[in-house]
This record gives sequence, C-alpha cells and structure tokens, in this order.
Amino acid sequence: SQKIEQNSEALNIQEGKTATLTCNYTNYSPAYLQWYRQDPGRGPVFLLLIRENEKEKRKERLKVTFDTTLKQSLFHITASQPADSATYLCALGGYQKVTFGTGTKLQVIP
Amino acid sequence: EADIYQTPRYLVIGTGKKITLECSQTMGHDKMYWYQQDPGMELHLIHYSYGVNSTEKGDLSSESTVSRIRTEHFPLTLESARPSHTSQYLCASTAAGGHEQFFGPGTRLTVL
Repeated sequence: SQKIEQNSEALNIQEGKTATLTCNYTNYSPAYLQWYRQDPGRGPVFLLLIRENEKEKRKERLKVTFDTTLKQSLFHITASQPADSATYLCALGGYQKVTFGTGTKLQVIP
Repeated sequence: EADIYQTPRYLVIGTGKKITLECSQTMGHDKMYWYQQDPGMELHLIHYSYGVNSTEKGDLSSESTVSRIRTEHFPLTLESARPSHTSQYLCASTAAGGHEQFFGPGTRLTVL
C-alpha cells in the first residue's frame, strides 16, 4: 500500500542554522510533491510545489529537492528563525488525489 | 490570507445529535475537500467535489454526507454524532487546473 514517511520525532535546531526535513514514500509515483506548514489548531498553509521532472525548487529561504529514484524529498529552511517553528507536511499529488504525510514538528531554538 | 471560512470553529455536542459543519470560499474554486485530522496524525480525505452537483467519498470511510449546490459552499453533515467522530475537520479548496490547496481554519468537534 502507499506510504509516506516523515520524521516522526520533532526536530530541534538552533536559530540561524539550516533545518532539513525528509519525506520518503513507497508504492507511489506522484506527479508532484508539495510542502505545507501547519501551526497548532490551524489549517495547513501551502509553501512549495515541485513536479516529478524537477530536481530542485527555491522560494526565499526555502528549498525543496525531489529525487524520484530514491523516492525522497528534502525540505530545507536556511537561516532558520523561531517563527519557523511549526509542523511541516509533505503531500504527494497524482491524478485527482493528494495524500498527506503525518508531518515533522520543527522547533527553532533562539 | 486564503478566503475560505469554516463555522463553527469549536463544537461540543451530545451523542445522537445531527450537526452540519459549514465551509465557504470566495475564490470561485471548483474543487473542494473535507479532511479529518486527529492530533499528531495525517490528514485523511473524507469527501471531495469537483464542482456543483459533484461529490465523491474519499479514502477514509465516513458516516458523514456532503452537498455542493453552490460553487462557494460545501457543507458536511453528520446525521447522528458519536464519540468516535471527535476530531478536527478541515475544509480546503483548489482552483481548476491548480494543485495548491487553500485550507480553512478547521472545526474542532467534540462528541460527548
């Protein structure tokens, strides 16, 4: 069955460092992959989309890579700030359907 | 800020009650979705719609029903609430041809 794996444990990093979050998937051939941010008690907010034929996408301090051979996406936040603390969800998109991972909680320590 | 709204934000009701969770968007999006999310868990798709008079069940079996009579409105109804329905319900929408989902703030439902 299709499975999306994100770091189940929280990631704690020092302010100013680069945070790297991982999304692995199995039994899936997504046409695209998305990353969302979710704050406690709120709905997710879209951050970035990367298509299956793209290797890397950047937006300000964010960078996403997509390796369809390894079935993995890496999400980087450079120069992290305490305001970046949240849960980050990866979502795989295909025909008519998007499947979300459980998310990784990021805590940026001042 | 996305123009998608959910009411109520919080609801505590007794077992057996009928409830309707409201979701409206002002972006003219064709696609709308309902997800269920328990704390620390992934979002589970329970219903979706690709336009007026179109509704489909999602991956997670749900005892709820939905309707799509107007583009902007996608209410979810539970005919008889049970404690197992206690969860956060999130509504989302996507523009035709797009992939980005815009989420509402969610409804936190507690069934006693």
